[in-house]
Amino acid sequence: EDKVVQSPLSLVVHEGDTVTLNCSYEVTNFRSLLWYKQEKKAPTFLFMLTSSGIEKKSGRLSSILDKKELFSILNITATQTGDSAIYLCAVLNAGGTSYGKLTFGQGTILTVHP
Amino acid sequence: DTGVSQDPRHKITKRGQNVTFRCDPISEHNRLYWYRQTLGQGPEFLTYFQNEAQLEKSRLLSDRFSAERPKGSFSTLEIQRTEQGDSAMYLCASSLGDRGRQEKLFFGSGTQLSVL
Repeated sequence: EDKVVQSPLSLVVHEGDTVTLNCSYEVTNFRSLLWYKQEKKAPTFLFMLTSSGIEKKSGRLSSILDKKELFSILNITATQTGDSAIYLCAVLNAGGTSYGKLTFGQGTILTVHP
Repeated sequence: DTGVSQDPRHKITKRGQNVTFRCDPISEHNRLYWYRQTLGQGPEFLTYFQNEAQLEKSRLLSDRFSAERPKGSFSTLEIQRTEQGDSAMYLCASSLGDRGRQEKLFFGSGTQLSVL
């Protein structure tokens, strides 16, 4: 069964700090790894990573995938209070009837204090 | 059509009652997923559809849960004889379902169920 483990489970920082969130995974037929941000409602898409070593960037957020070691990191630089959220990592299965199924980790709760 | 919509947003029910939730996916999306999320946890897969066909159900899904997507558009999730442990956020998501593309799921805002 596919499995995703995120660490740390929670993180409290001050504005301006840089944070690194970790995600390790086991999946039977890996297709992609996705990061989502969840505030009070629906998870919103951040990144999709398919290839190792290629960094994806969006403003102060960046992410990279290591398919050999089966992990990904999400970096947030110069954090702001608006970055406070749950960050979810998920792996996309590419096999058979499980194709397209996302398995999520438990999430990292990030709190950014002013 | 601006995204995945779910109804109701909140549902409070007494233990033993039946509840039904509705999800309207993004119009051109073939795949529709149901997830459940409890406080402090990531979303947990329940089931998903390719058009009207239900392709996979989680082994964790008891017989009290049933989902349908009769015309391949909207979907309903019914929980019969609700239990307090069913209290959670029920999330619906949809995707294009095209194997030639990189899949990306779009989520609705969820239905928050509270069983008293």
